[in-house]
Amino acid sequence: EAAVTQSPRSKVAVTGGKVTLSCHQTNNHDYMYWYRQDTGHGLRLIHYSYVADSTEKGDIPDGYKASRPSQENFSLILELASLSQTAVYFCASSGDRSNTEVFFGKGTRLTVV
Amino acid sequence: GDQVEQSPSALSLHEGTDSALRCNFTTTMRSVQWFRQNSRGSLISLFYLASGTKENGRLKSAFDSKERRYSTLHIRDAQLEDSGTYFCAAENTGYQNFYFGKGTSLTVIP
Repeated sequence: EAAVTQSPRSKVAVTGGKVTLSCHQTNNHDYMYWYRQDTGHGLRLIHYSYVADSTEKGDIPDGYKASRPSQENFSLILELASLSQTAVYFCASSGDRSNTEVFFGKGTRLTVV
Repeated sequence: GDQVEQSPSALSLHEGTDSALRCNFTTTMRSVQWFRQNSRGSLISLFYLASGTKENGRLKSAFDSKERRYSTLHIRDAQLEDSGTYFCAAENTGYQNFYFGKGTSLTVIP
């Protein structure tokens, strides 16, 4: 079964601190994504990647960096965490254009204080 | 602006009744996926459609195959465990990106 694993599952960070969220997939998928969800809203795309060592900006990339060191791993980095980045973050993966079904991790609840 | 408009935003159903959720897209989409977010926040995939319809138990989803600008999710004989927030996500034809609706909060009442 397709699996996307996120760590940590929850984190409290201090304003101005650095935060790294990690994602690992065992689906052998080319595409990986980072989304954020704010209370009462849908998901918005932050960064995505379709190949190792390359990342692309999504719809709301400001304040975030991403890193894809291998096909299996995709990290989201907040260099200087801010209060407005308190949210739930979801990682996802999908295959090639022949089947683009998306598989999500369980989410990381980030609270910036 | 938003690429995906989901309706209704909230819905209450009595057990045993039927209803439909809808997502309209501002442009042609390549595929659509429906999710239910449970009380723990996990996104559970219900359907993935590149065209046509799919059915699973009391749930059925359709994706407009002609203009590819809307999708529906039908819930038949609603049960308490169907409560949750339902999201649709549509894939843009230009590149592999997915746009989410804002969700429908469904409450099934005994």
